[in-house]
Amino acid sequence: NAGVTQTPKFQVLKTGQSMTLQCAQDMNHNSMYWYRQDPGMGLRLIYYSASEGTTDKGEVPNGYNVSRLNKREFSLRLESAAPSQTSVYFCASSEVLGQQETQYFGPGTRLLVL
Amino acid sequence: KQEVTQIPAALSVPEGENLVLNCSFTDSAIYNLQWFRQDPGKGLTSLLLIQSSQREQTSGRLNASLDKSSGRSTLYIAASQPGDSATYLCAVNDDTSSSASKIIFGSGTRLSIRP
Repeated sequence: NAGVTQTPKFQVLKTGQSMTLQCAQDMNHNSMYWYRQDPGMGLRLIYYSASEGTTDKGEVPNGYNVSRLNKREFSLRLESAAPSQTSVYFCASSEVLGQQETQYFGPGTRLLVL
Repeated sequence: KQEVTQIPAALSVPEGENLVLNCSFTDSAIYNLQWFRQDPGKGLTSLLLIQSSQREQTSGRLNASLDKSSGRSTLYIAASQPGDSATYLCAVNDDTSSSASKIIFGSGTRLSIRP
């Protein structure tokens, strides 16, 4: 199992450019998540998908769109990148065992917007 | 709104010492609390999860405690090793749901173990 994979690992964009961050999991998990991590701050939830075909906003959704392409893949799109979107982006998936929901994180995508 | 605070932001200790990392949260009505480890350039890995009804959880040299009434949790690391060097994040899940979409993360403590 590869777990949760993310592409690309690094990206530099100019203000106004668009890009899509890709995430895939091979653990057959229903739920998937996109977070951003900024220096001195914890992870903040951008969007999540509780199951294939559904998506919901998290704490900081502005400037982003998501697409749950199928059960395996959950992509994050920046339509018009801004310097404030410079961050490290993490994708995660989760499974529920009993009363516990365990998340598995990808290695992250480092994005710099100039 | 729930806020999770971890102080200090960074900690450096010599190898072999026992150490305690602190986490505080503002709303005591939580479903559970987790401690994560994050290595440089990597994602998060869950270390320990404490349900709201529990007081502590142990895994190897790690022991996490939870005091809901005071809004505090500690992660105790015994006999620290250089391989323990990483950032440790605390996260709480609000009482309204067990869904991971309700998890609030602290900013982490960056731990460095000096050989």
